[in-house]
This record gives sequence, structure tokens and C-alpha cells, in this order.
Amino acid sequence: DIQMTQSPASLSASLGETVTIECLASEDIYDILAWYQQKPGKSPQLLIYDASSLHTGVPSRFSGSGSGTQYSLKINSLQPEDFASYYCQNGLSAPNTFGAGTKLELK
Amino acid sequence: QVQLKESGPGLVQPSETLSLTCTVSGFSLTSYSVSWVRQPSGKGPEWMGRMWYDGDTAYNSALKSRLSISRDTSKNQVFLKMNSLQTDDTGTYYCTRVYNNYYFDYWGQGVMVTVSS
Repeated sequence: DIQMTQSPASLSASLGETVTIECLASEDIYDILAWYQQKPGKSPQLLIYDASSLHTGVPSRFSGSGSGTQYSLKINSLQPEDFASYYCQNGLSAPNTFGAGTKLELK
Repeated sequence: QVQLKESGPGLVQPSETLSLTCTVSGFSLTSYSVSWVRQPSGKGPEWMGRMWYDGDTAYNSALKSRLSISRDTSKNQVFLKMNSLQTDDTGTYYCTRVYNNYYFDYWGQGVMVTVSS
């Protein structure tokens, strides 16, 4: 199985700041990677797919990049609604493994 | 609009079988695949398996011996059955619509399942 390692596990930031979350795959996943946002008590929501494509309705302050085994999610100008947990997901091969998550908290 | 809704028991005894139903609307099960994903509290999600749009199935190898996914297209429902439940099977179980073959664009609200005597 492909392992997805996310860092950091938690992150404190202020409104208006820019943050980056990293995801490392245990092997090349050829950009078949998604990012999800999850708020407490809610289901995950798709933000980014194919490593860098913004899903419908997702604000442009979210962006994804990377290739091979290394990927990142960048959030510009943090808004109050962005404080949540974020997960990367390998879509290349079954099982479609997820990272353990990054919890973004308000400083 | 696209909706998925899970239903099933919230409490299951150890060694018993879990049966969940996902009822979908706004899309056809013969056009889109549906996956089951579970999430222990405070941890990352785990993909369990998929019902393909053509009726084929795929399972997480870690669960394959205990898991079965089926569907009834006339009722717009996908079913999950997993036997020999243990306490580490406790968590929230979601059904999701598969997007572009690889991702999950719509999720149900989830059903919390606790395995306990």
C-alpha cells in the first residue's frame, strides 16, 4: 500500500497569514492526489484534485502543487472558515490511502 | 442535487456483523461509482471499498476477508456488510461518490458506529 505522510500534524496561524501543508507519498503517485478540508462534526470536502486542480466552488486562495512523491497545499490570506483539518489522499492505486491529517488552528 | 445518506445501527456488539445502507439521489448508480470510507475519531479517513458503476467491486485488502459491498439500483442504494467487528472498527462510516475515477466529491453525513458490549 502507498503510505501518505503529512506534515505538520498541527499548525497555528493568524488571520491573513499564508500557510503550507506538505504530503509525502511512499512512491510516485503521478499527481493523482487530492486534498480535503474537514470541519469538526462534518464530512470531508474535496478542495484540490490531480494535485493542482481546484474543485468547483473552492476559493482561489487554495492552491496545490507538487509532483512525484512530494505535494503541498497552500492557503493564502487565511480566513476564519479555513481553520479546520486537512487531508491528502492517494488516488493512484487501491487502497486509496489518506494522510493522518493536519489540524490548522487559529493563533 | 447530489445527496448521499447513510443509515444503520449506531451500536454493534463485538464479533457481530455491521450492516449499513447508503441511499443516493441526484445521480445514477449505473453512471457513478460509490465508495465506503471510515474514520476513527481524531484520525485520518480509511478507504474501505468501492461499488463500481458497472456493478464490479473493489476492496481494501486489509478488510477484504470481512467486507462485502452490494447494491440495488432500483432503490438507489449501496450496502455495506462487515463481519467479526472489533473495538477498533469504531468510527464514523461514510459513503461517497467517486469523481474522475480517483477522488470523492460528495460525501454523506456519516453514521457513527460504536463496537461495544
